[in-house]
Amino acid sequence: DAKTTQPPSMDCAEGRAANLPCNHSTISGNEYVYWYRQIHSQGPQYIIHGLKNNETNEMASLIITEDRKSSTLILPHATLRDTAVYYCIVRVAGGGADGLTFGKGTHLIIQP
Amino acid sequence: DGGITQSPKYLFRKEGQNVTLSCEQNLNHDAMYWYRQDPGQGLRLIYYSQIVNDFQKGDIAEGYSVSREKKESFPLTVTSAQKNPTAFYLCASSIVGGYEKLFFGSGTQLSVL
Repeated sequence: DAKTTQPPSMDCAEGRAANLPCNHSTISGNEYVYWYRQIHSQGPQYIIHGLKNNETNEMASLIITEDRKSSTLILPHATLRDTAVYYCIVRVAGGGADGLTFGKGTHLIIQP
Repeated sequence: DGGITQSPKYLFRKEGQNVTLSCEQNLNHDAMYWYRQDPGQGLRLIYYSQIVNDFQKGDIAEGYSVSREKKESFPLTVTSAQKNPTAFYLCASSIVGGYEKLFFGSGTQLSVL
């Protein structure tokens, strides 16, 4: 699986858009980008994933650059409940059941 | 509601003692996983199971054991051989072929007395 790089922490004001970057410069053509988040003392929660097109669901939007070497997770109107650690993971879809690799992620703090 | 239940929420282990963490799911998922998380760190894979009666070691299996006798259950035993067991333990599950979309339990915090 390709390696990802994320900033260790970010702040965002409540009500503003939170933009979380992820660098994955060694991504392969068949690898997807997955995002999870983990609220303190809870298990991680799946947010969204994509291959090369931008994706949107009820939780967030995922923007992947044309060269696919980086991506941005966007929380359009951040609330205090969005304070969490966000993980960016690159992985071949339909790969083996050998688990995902969760790095340290980005600790997003939403300020009131 | 479907989901994954981990128990207990908090667990204390004495020196030389084995302890077992419970993980039950009613999502009808075939694959199940155990992760360990230390403060400020990511998750590390301990064991995973793709099907009943079969499981594989992850990256840090030493000092741990598992069983998978039922599809719904994947208990983790932290043995006395695990010298640094204090951590947050997370259980997860996924469907066959959808191994990238994991569903997690709420975790068990294990501490050593």
